[in-house]
Amino acid sequence: ELKVEQNPLFLSMQEGKNYTIYCNYSTTSDRLYWYRQDPGKSLESLFVLLSNGAVKQEGRLMASLDTKARLSTLHITAAVHDLSATYFCAVVPRNFGNEKLTFGTGTRLTIIP
Amino acid sequence: EAGVVQSPRYKIIEKKQPVAFWCNPISGHNTLYWYRQNLGQGPELLIRYENEEAVDDSQLPKDRFSAERLKGVDSTLKIQPAELGDSAVYLCASSLIGVWDTEAFFGQGTRLTVV
Repeated sequence: ELKVEQNPLFLSMQEGKNYTIYCNYSTTSDRLYWYRQDPGKSLESLFVLLSNGAVKQEGRLMASLDTKARLSTLHITAAVHDLSATYFCAVVPRNFGNEKLTFGTGTRLTIIP
Repeated sequence: EAGVVQSPRYKIIEKKQPVAFWCNPISGHNTLYWYRQNLGQGPELLIRYENEEAVDDSQLPKDRFSAERLKGVDSTLKIQPAELGDSAVYLCASSLIGVWDTEAFFGQGTRLTVV
């Protein structure tokens, strides 16, 4: 069974600082997604990573994928308060026909002014 | 383009009562998911449809939960009877399988409270 783990689970950081959220998964996959969820809201898609070495950036967020290490990172540069949210990674296993999207535990990020 | 639409947004029921949720996916999306999200946790898959066929319902508690996807478009998820532990947010998502860079888009969810 696919397991997806994120760390840290909780992250409190000051504005202007940099930090990285890690996502490890237990089975072969070439497709990994990052989502953002604000309190009481649904999930908003941030990044789709589809190959080893894939890197995508949007504003102060940058995501990367290392399929050999089964690891994805979400890097936050010069954090601002608006980035406070819970971030989830989600993985689709490399089994043809299996489109089950499995989510990680989530990282609750709080940016302190 | 309209996103995934769910209703109701909120539902409060007494235990042992039935409840139903409705989902209208993005037009043209052939895959529909129902997820349950408990407070402070990530979403967990309940059932996945490809067109009108349920291709993964291994996580669906079949003694009390049922789902259907009429004509491969809208879907309903039903709980009967509801238990206190069913309190959660029920999320519907849709995607287009067959496209490599497909991604799942989520609705606003239905927050269920069982009292």
